[in-house]
Amino acid sequence: DSGVTQTPKHLITATGQRVTLRCSPRSGDLSVYWYQQSLDQGLQFLIQYYNGEERAKGNILERFSAQQFPDLHSELNLSSLELGDSALYFCASSVGASGGAKAGYEQYFGPGTRLTVT
Amino acid sequence: AQSVTQLGSHVSVSEGALVLLRCNYSSSVPPYLFWYVQYPNQGLQLLLKYTSAATLVKGINGFEAEFKKSETSFHLTKPSAHMSDAAEYFCAVSDLGSGNTPLVFGKGTRLSVIA
Repeated sequence: DSGVTQTPKHLITATGQRVTLRCSPRSGDLSVYWYQQSLDQGLQFLIQYYNGEERAKGNILERFSAQQFPDLHSELNLSSLELGDSALYFCASSVGASGGAKAGYEQYFGPGTRLTVT
Repeated sequence: AQSVTQLGSHVSVSEGALVLLRCNYSSSVPPYLFWYVQYPNQGLQLLLKYTSAATLVKGINGFEAEFKKSETSFHLTKPSAHMSDAAEYFCAVSDLGSGNTPLVFGKGTRLSVIA
Protein backbone atom coordinates (compact mmCIF):
# COMPACT_ATOMS: atom_id res chain seq x y z
CA ASP A 1 0.00 0.00 0.00
CA SER A 2 1.58 3.25 -1.19
CA GLY A 3 -0.57 5.48 1.01
CA VAL A 4 -2.06 7.24 -2.02
CA THR A 5 -5.78 6.69 -2.44
CA GLN A 6 -7.90 7.17 -5.52
CA THR A 7 -11.63 7.04 -6.00
CA PRO A 8 -13.52 5.64 -7.71
CA LYS A 9 -11.71 2.49 -8.76
CA HIS A 10 -13.85 2.03 -11.85
CA LEU A 11 -15.96 4.48 -13.79
CA ILE A 12 -18.17 3.78 -16.80
CA THR A 13 -19.78 6.69 -18.57
CA ALA A 14 -21.05 7.78 -21.95
CA THR A 15 -19.49 10.04 -24.55
CA GLY A 16 -20.07 13.73 -23.93
CA GLN A 17 -20.30 13.31 -20.17
CA ARG A 18 -18.16 14.83 -17.42
CA VAL A 19 -16.48 12.94 -14.59
CA THR A 20 -14.34 13.79 -11.58
CA LEU A 21 -11.52 11.62 -10.31
CA ARG A 22 -10.28 12.10 -6.79
CA CYS A 23 -6.86 11.57 -5.23
CA SER A 24 -5.59 11.80 -1.67
CA PRO A 25 -1.80 11.97 -1.42
CA ARG A 26 0.36 10.32 1.23
CA SER A 27 0.36 12.11 4.53
CA GLY A 28 2.88 14.96 4.35
CA ASP A 29 3.29 14.94 0.57
CA LEU A 30 2.80 18.34 -1.03
CA SER A 31 3.06 17.40 -4.71
CA VAL A 32 0.38 15.58 -6.67
CA TYR A 33 0.84 14.32 -10.22
CA TRP A 34 -1.72 12.94 -12.63
CA TYR A 35 -0.79 10.38 -15.30
CA GLN A 36 -2.80 8.66 -17.99
CA GLN A 37 -2.05 5.08 -19.04
CA SER A 38 -3.46 3.75 -22.29
CA LEU A 39 -2.46 0.93 -24.61
CA ASP A 40 -1.53 3.20 -27.50
CA GLN A 41 0.06 6.13 -25.62
CA GLY A 42 1.59 4.34 -22.65
CA LEU A 43 2.09 6.29 -19.44
CA GLN A 44 1.84 10.03 -19.97
CA PHE A 45 2.17 12.88 -17.53
CA LEU A 46 -0.84 15.18 -17.46
CA ILE A 47 -0.38 17.79 -14.75
CA GLN A 48 1.33 18.49 -11.42
CA TYR A 49 0.24 20.51 -8.42
CA TYR A 50 2.42 21.58 -5.53
CA ASN A 51 0.86 22.87 -2.33
CA GLY A 52 -2.25 24.05 -4.14
CA GLU A 53 -0.63 25.62 -7.17
CA GLU A 54 -0.15 24.27 -10.67
CA ARG A 55 3.52 23.42 -11.11
CA ALA A 56 3.89 21.65 -14.44
CA LYS A 57 1.72 20.73 -17.38
CA GLY A 58 2.14 17.83 -19.75
CA ASN A 59 -0.03 16.37 -22.48
CA ILE A 60 -3.28 17.43 -20.89
CA LEU A 61 -6.22 18.18 -23.16
CA GLU A 62 -8.12 21.44 -22.81
CA ARG A 63 -11.21 19.37 -21.91
CA PHE A 64 -9.35 18.19 -18.81
CA SER A 65 -8.63 20.26 -15.73
CA ALA A 66 -7.39 19.66 -12.22
CA GLN A 67 -7.03 21.37 -8.90
CA GLN A 68 -5.48 20.76 -5.51
CA PHE A 69 -7.40 21.77 -2.44
CA PRO A 70 -6.14 23.22 0.88
CA ASP A 71 -6.20 19.75 2.46
CA LEU A 72 -3.92 18.70 -0.45
CA HIS A 73 -6.28 16.25 -2.07
CA SER A 74 -6.64 16.69 -5.80
CA GLU A 75 -9.35 16.25 -8.37
CA LEU A 76 -9.04 15.64 -12.10
CA ASN A 77 -12.04 16.76 -14.12
CA LEU A 78 -12.64 15.25 -17.53
CA SER A 79 -15.37 16.75 -19.70
CA SER A 80 -16.93 16.19 -23.13
CA LEU A 81 -15.63 12.66 -22.89
CA GLU A 82 -14.66 10.77 -26.02
CA LEU A 83 -14.09 7.07 -26.60
CA GLY A 84 -10.38 7.74 -26.77
CA ASP A 85 -10.35 9.02 -23.19
CA SER A 86 -10.86 5.48 -21.94
CA ALA A 87 -7.74 4.73 -19.91
CA LEU A 88 -6.26 4.17 -16.48
CA TYR A 89 -5.70 7.43 -14.63
CA PHE A 90 -3.06 7.41 -11.92
CA CYS A 91 -2.35 9.88 -9.23
CA ALA A 92 1.09 10.02 -7.63
CA SER A 93 2.46 12.08 -4.78
CA SER A 94 5.85 13.16 -3.51
CA VAL A 95 7.15 15.26 -0.65
CA GLY A 96 8.72 18.00 -2.71
CA ALA A 97 8.41 19.55 -6.12
CA SER A 98 12.04 19.80 -7.16
CA GLY A 99 15.51 19.20 -5.82
CA GLY A 100 17.54 16.14 -5.02
CA ALA A 101 16.96 12.93 -3.17
CA LYS A 102 16.81 14.72 0.15
CA ALA A 103 13.71 16.46 -1.06
CA GLY A 104 12.03 13.06 -1.08
CA TYR A 105 11.50 13.20 -4.76
CA GLU A 106 10.37 9.64 -5.49
CA GLN A 107 6.76 9.45 -6.54
CA TYR A 108 4.29 7.06 -4.94
CA PHE A 109 1.41 5.91 -7.10
CA GLY A 110 -2.18 5.21 -6.21
CA PRO A 111 -4.07 2.15 -7.51
CA GLY A 112 -5.62 4.14 -10.36
CA THR A 113 -9.09 4.82 -11.71
CA ARG A 114 -10.13 2.83 -14.76
CA LEU A 115 -12.31 5.02 -16.95
CA THR A 116 -14.41 3.42 -19.66
CA VAL A 117 -16.24 5.71 -22.08
CA THR A 118 -18.99 4.01 -24.09
CA ALA B 1 13.55 16.87 -23.90
CA GLN B 2 14.31 13.67 -22.10
CA SER B 3 13.12 10.30 -23.32
CA VAL B 4 13.39 6.63 -22.40
CA THR B 5 13.66 3.59 -24.64
CA GLN B 6 13.00 0.13 -23.29
CA LEU B 7 14.27 -2.58 -25.59
CA GLY B 8 11.88 -5.50 -25.81
CA SER B 9 8.21 -5.14 -25.03
CA HIS B 10 8.13 -8.72 -23.75
CA VAL B 11 10.86 -10.74 -22.06
CA SER B 12 10.44 -14.35 -21.05
CA VAL B 13 12.81 -16.16 -18.66
CA SER B 14 12.84 -19.46 -16.82
CA GLU B 15 12.45 -19.54 -13.07
CA GLY B 16 15.90 -19.21 -11.53
CA ALA B 17 17.42 -17.58 -14.61
CA LEU B 18 18.95 -14.12 -14.87
CA VAL B 19 16.56 -11.25 -15.51
CA LEU B 20 17.85 -8.42 -17.71
CA LEU B 21 15.52 -5.58 -18.71
CA ARG B 22 17.08 -2.89 -20.86
CA CYS B 23 16.60 0.86 -20.58
CA ASN B 24 18.36 3.65 -22.46
CA TYR B 25 17.72 7.28 -21.74
CA SER B 26 18.17 10.55 -23.48
CA SER B 27 18.57 13.64 -21.37
CA SER B 28 20.27 16.97 -21.85
CA VAL B 29 21.22 17.18 -18.18
CA PRO B 30 22.33 14.57 -15.62
CA PRO B 31 19.19 12.53 -15.17
CA TYR B 32 17.41 10.97 -12.27
CA LEU B 33 16.37 7.46 -13.28
CA PHE B 34 13.78 5.10 -11.86
CA TRP B 35 12.44 1.62 -12.32
CA TYR B 36 8.83 0.92 -11.41
CA VAL B 37 6.92 -2.38 -11.44
CA GLN B 38 3.22 -2.76 -12.16
CA TYR B 39 1.38 -5.93 -11.20
CA PRO B 40 -1.95 -6.67 -12.89
CA ASN B 41 -4.72 -4.29 -11.84
CA GLN B 42 -2.41 -2.37 -9.51
CA GLY B 43 -0.58 0.93 -9.45
CA LEU B 44 3.12 1.42 -9.99
CA GLN B 45 5.56 0.47 -7.25
CA LEU B 46 9.03 1.98 -7.05
CA LEU B 47 11.76 -0.66 -7.40
CA LEU B 48 14.81 1.59 -7.27
CA LYS B 49 16.15 5.00 -8.19
CA TYR B 50 19.41 6.56 -9.38
CA THR B 51 20.13 10.04 -8.10
CA SER B 52 23.89 10.28 -8.78
CA ALA B 53 25.00 8.99 -5.37
CA ALA B 54 26.19 5.59 -6.67
CA THR B 55 26.19 4.03 -10.12
CA LEU B 56 25.08 0.60 -8.88
CA VAL B 57 21.70 0.88 -7.25
CA LYS B 58 20.08 -1.86 -5.22
CA GLY B 59 16.32 -1.99 -4.96
CA ILE B 60 13.58 -4.10 -3.49
CA ASN B 61 12.89 -7.77 -4.25
CA GLY B 62 16.51 -8.47 -5.20
CA PHE B 63 16.61 -6.13 -8.20
CA GLU B 64 19.48 -3.82 -9.01
CA ALA B 65 20.42 -1.48 -11.82
CA GLU B 66 23.65 0.06 -13.03
CA PHE B 67 23.90 3.58 -14.39
CA LYS B 68 26.34 3.78 -17.31
CA LYS B 69 26.75 7.32 -18.55
CA SER B 70 28.91 6.33 -21.53
CA GLU B 71 26.17 4.01 -22.76
CA THR B 72 23.26 6.19 -21.53
CA SER B 73 21.84 3.03 -20.03
CA PHE B 74 20.17 1.97 -16.80
CA HIS B 75 19.48 -1.73 -17.21
CA LEU B 76 17.58 -3.65 -14.54
CA THR B 77 18.84 -7.05 -13.41
CA LYS B 78 18.02 -9.81 -10.96
CA PRO B 79 20.26 -12.87 -10.59
CA SER B 80 17.47 -15.41 -10.20
CA ALA B 81 13.91 -14.95 -11.44
CA HIS B 82 10.98 -15.93 -9.29
CA MET B 83 7.44 -16.61 -10.44
CA SER B 84 6.27 -13.60 -8.44
CA ASP B 85 8.46 -11.31 -10.60
CA ALA B 86 6.04 -11.65 -13.53
CA ALA B 87 4.78 -8.12 -14.11
CA GLU B 88 5.19 -5.02 -16.27
CA TYR B 89 8.35 -2.99 -15.67
CA PHE B 90 8.76 0.67 -16.50
CA CYS B 91 11.90 2.74 -16.71
CA ALA B 92 11.45 6.48 -16.13
CA VAL B 93 13.59 9.60 -16.26
CA SER B 94 13.39 13.06 -14.81
CA ASP B 95 15.85 15.91 -15.19
CA LEU B 96 15.71 17.37 -11.75
CA GLY B 97 18.65 19.54 -12.62
CA SER B 98 16.20 21.74 -14.48
CA GLY B 99 13.78 21.63 -11.61
CA ASN B 100 11.35 19.66 -13.73
CA THR B 101 10.11 16.71 -11.76
CA PRO B 102 7.39 14.91 -13.73
CA LEU B 103 8.45 11.49 -14.94
CA VAL B 104 8.86 10.45 -18.55
CA PHE B 105 8.23 6.73 -18.89
CA GLY B 106 9.35 4.12 -21.35
CA LYS B 107 6.72 1.95 -22.99
CA GLY B 108 7.28 -0.86 -20.54
CA THR B 109 8.55 -4.43 -20.68
CA ARG B 110 6.35 -7.32 -19.72
CA LEU B 111 8.30 -9.99 -17.88
CA SER B 112 7.04 -13.56 -18.01
CA VAL B 113 8.59 -16.23 -15.78
CA ILE B 114 8.28 -19.84 -16.91
CA ALA B 115 8.29 -22.64 -14.37
